[in-house]
Amino acid sequence: GENVEQHPSTLSVQEGDSAVIKCTYSDSASNYFPWYKQELGKRPQLIIDIRSNVGEKKDQRIAVTLNKTAKHFSLHITETQPEDSAVYFCAASLGGYQKVTFGTGTKLQVIP
Amino acid sequence: GAGVSQSPSNKVTEKGKDVELRCDPISGHTALYWYRQSLGQGLEFLIYFQGNSAPDKSGLPSDRFSAERTGGSVSTLTIQRTQQEDSAVYLCASSLGIGGRSYEQYFGPGTRLTVT
Repeated sequence: GENVEQHPSTLSVQEGDSAVIKCTYSDSASNYFPWYKQELGKRPQLIIDIRSNVGEKKDQRIAVTLNKTAKHFSLHITETQPEDSAVYFCAASLGGYQKVTFGTGTKLQVIP
Repeated sequence: GAGVSQSPSNKVTEKGKDVELRCDPISGHTALYWYRQSLGQGLEFLIYFQGNSAPDKSGLPSDRFSAERTGGSVSTLTIQRTQQEDSAVYLCASSLGIGGRSYEQYFGPGTRLTVT
């Protein structure tokens, strides 16, 4: 089955700096890669996703890149703000409405 | 509209008892997922439904765990003979399902299960 590894497990950055979270996956058939943000005590929420037919997707301060050959994808947050502090999960799926395998999460702390 | 709801929000049970957790997905969402999240850990996939069918039950930890969905809506996750290691937050999520353009999963608030 699919295995998703996520690094780092914790990340501290100064407000205004960039943050990068990296994930690798094992199943080359996976073609859908979402990122979820979970604030303390709250439910996970989708912040961005990418499908295998594109290499990069951007939404304001958030971008995701995908390298299918290397089977890794990354989340980039620019100009970080204190409200970006949360746990971020990457995930991989065969697409459609199938099993989604999540990474172990990255706790991001943005220091004001 | 209403989001995904789960009940109960908290459940404390004695080891060996059975528990039933309920999930009400967003109306019209045909795909439904169950996850388990232990304290400070990631999201562990348990099972998902497309309509009333469960194509992938590979994440269920043991035969003490079962889930069903009726009428393509409400789902229940049942844990029999609970053990202390079952203590976790159980999250349910739903998404549009086949024909939808977005695969986004909408999560419920979770049920915090504590087995004493």
